[in-house]
Amino acid sequence: EPEVTQTPSHQVTQMGQEVILRCVPISNHLYFYWYRQILGQKVEFLVSFYNNEISEKSEIFDDQFSVERPDGSNFTLKIRSTKLEDSAMYFCASSPGQAFSTDTQYFGPGTRLTVL
Amino acid sequence: AQSVTQLDSHVSVSEGTPVLLRCNYSSSYSPSLFWYVQHPNKGLQLLLKYTSAATLVKGINGFEAEFKKSETSFHLTKPSAHMSDAAEYFCVVSHTMGNNRKLIWGLGTSLAVNP
Repeated sequence: EPEVTQTPSHQVTQMGQEVILRCVPISNHLYFYWYRQILGQKVEFLVSFYNNEISEKSEIFDDQFSVERPDGSNFTLKIRSTKLEDSAMYFCASSPGQAFSTDTQYFGPGTRLTVL
Repeated sequence: AQSVTQLDSHVSVSEGTPVLLRCNYSSSYSPSLFWYVQHPNKGLQLLLKYTSAATLVKGINGFEAEFKKSETSFHLTKPSAHMSDAAEYFCVVSHTMGNNRKLIWGLGTSLAVNP
């Protein structure tokens, strides 16, 4: 069964450093997403991506964040200058793009980002 | 605005007894609702979804949920808990507008299953 994959599973970085989180969505899916979950808090929507552009982003997704689909298979989330509060589990998801009411998002295992 | 409230942060049951995980939602229009499960060190797996068809939805691993519009609830149930059901469960509502689709999550309910 096809699944979303994410690398790395755990990333440790120093404050102020850039990180790139990688995801390989399910092939032939059309919509891609990033969510994050800070320890003890809700899963929060960050951004959705469709047709090679951002379709929606949350307030969290400020200028320090960017997404890219560089080669038709990978979907990346870049944080330019990490802050302590960026420490979280980051989940990538993809969905086929069917009729709205039946479109299901499939999630990867997550990348745990720790900013020191 | 849409929101989800999971009424219990922790639920503990004995193996073989019924499971009830409660969820209430708020939505200005007919929602799509989901339950996802997260086992330790694993990703988020879809258990079941409601998308305005039958109000009683059956999912994987014997779970089901009933959409009750009058109560704005979407509680998750299972007749008989198994040890492997121990996990974190999330009730989720989908917000869809054009090409904008995002999931709005509850805080989660941690289910413990005792032998």
